[in-house]
Amino acid sequence: KAGVTQTPRYLIKTRGQQVTLSCSPISGHRSVSWYQQTPGQGLQFLFEYFSETQRNKGNFPGRFSGRQFSNSRSEMNVSTLELGDSALYLCASRPRLAGVYEQYFGPGTRLTVT
Amino acid sequence: AQSVTQLGSHVSVSEGALVLLRCNYSSSVPPYLFWYVQYPNQGLQLLLKYTSAATLVKGINGFEAEFKKSETSFHLTKPSAHMSDAAEYFCAVTDSGTSGANSKLTFGKGITLSVRP
Repeated sequence: KAGVTQTPRYLIKTRGQQVTLSCSPISGHRSVSWYQQTPGQGLQFLFEYFSETQRNKGNFPGRFSGRQFSNSRSEMNVSTLELGDSALYLCASRPRLAGVYEQYFGPGTRLTVT
Repeated sequence: AQSVTQLGSHVSVSEGALVLLRCNYSSSVPPYLFWYVQYPNQGLQLLLKYTSAATLVKGINGFEAEFKKSETSFHLTKPSAHMSDAAEYFCAVTDSGTSGANSKLTFGKGITLSVRP
């Protein structure tokens, strides 16, 4: 099976712009989560989607949003970019919510805000 | 609330030596625990998981970890380090109490493992 894929792998944006990142989960996986990884804060949970509905949300401002499509693919959007949004954004998937706790990660999208 | 503590940010061992990476957790409900590895410019790869079955868990690449409730620990070990083990290792915990419905991973800060020839 193909793993989790994320596009693009690298992005450079300017402060104040917005950005959309894309994630395709492992085939058959219906849950998609997003995490932000920075040197200072480490890995932090952003949100999780299942069946096109946000099921869980981390402690991030409203500038961070996401959605999931009927084919389980997910996008996350960051509006009004700040320098501190520079990070590796990781997407993870799992087949379902109940009884499955481990998540499988993609390679990430490296976002640089200048 | 759950938390994970990984003491030390960097561990260096010689090739062939024992690898021991420490992880302590805090959780108000029985935890599920994971170790992930991250190679440069890559995502996280699941090494092993503890989900309340056997307390000694074997993973990929010769790694294993033992869940010790009395010590709230889940240390990762490998008997003999290989150069290819050089990477960053993350311990993570999630809440078993919701049957997975609101399961999110809480990660430690990570430990960088270096392997000397």
